[in-house]
Amino acid sequence: DQQVKQNSPSLSVQEGRISILNCDYTNSMFDYFLWYKKYPAEGPTFLISISSIKDKNEDGRFTVFLNKSAKHLSLHIVPSQPGDSAVYFCAASLGSQTGANNLFFGTGTRLTVIP
Amino acid sequence: DAGVTQSPTHLIKTRGQQVTLRCSPKSGHDTVSWYQQALGQGPQFIFQYYEEEERQRGNFPDRFSGHQFPNYSSELNVNALLLGDSALYLCASSLLPDTQYFGPGTRLTVL
Repeated sequence: DQQVKQNSPSLSVQEGRISILNCDYTNSMFDYFLWYKKYPAEGPTFLISISSIKDKNEDGRFTVFLNKSAKHLSLHIVPSQPGDSAVYFCAASLGSQTGANNLFFGTGTRLTVIP
Repeated sequence: DAGVTQSPTHLIKTRGQQVTLRCSPKSGHDTVSWYQQALGQGPQFIFQYYEEEERQRGNFPDRFSGHQFPNYSSELNVNALLLGDSALYLCASSLLPDTQYFGPGTRLTVL
């Protein structure tokens, strides 16, 4: 049973515009959420995270929003750049110690930023 | 500073065979987790090793086993390979409680 879902397999955005990647989860016990970016032939790279006690976390061009009541989070990239083209995975953890806990991943969204 | 490294990069085996995959964690990290990523899916947690012991395990059969060495490197062993074991196997390391850093993976193909 998929506890973390990314319903959009792909997304195309013009360079300079906003990219919005969405993620839904079913387990209300998830305590921490992360976004990873994956380029071909490389492992996932940690991008940004958010604790369940917050509703927003920002790091440069990347902002993650969490709506606990809707069990929904989103990653905003502004402005989008061609180098952002990659597969983005949403992941969730049952505790704040994300290094100690197994991560539950979504199926990923392939973002293509068009120059 | 070397990141997480995995070997081999690619591997081809036949059904029923056994395979061993290797992982060296990022310098300073003491915890290693293994994930399986099937085609079109997200990574799925197999197990995690800390202080040379398995401390957590996902929903994988006993054919999947592992080991962690005193230098924190780790091996993943899969016995009696099935076609469905074909996947990208990812190793992630961490220094508790910080987040996990992933290696490039080993692509296993079972024929």
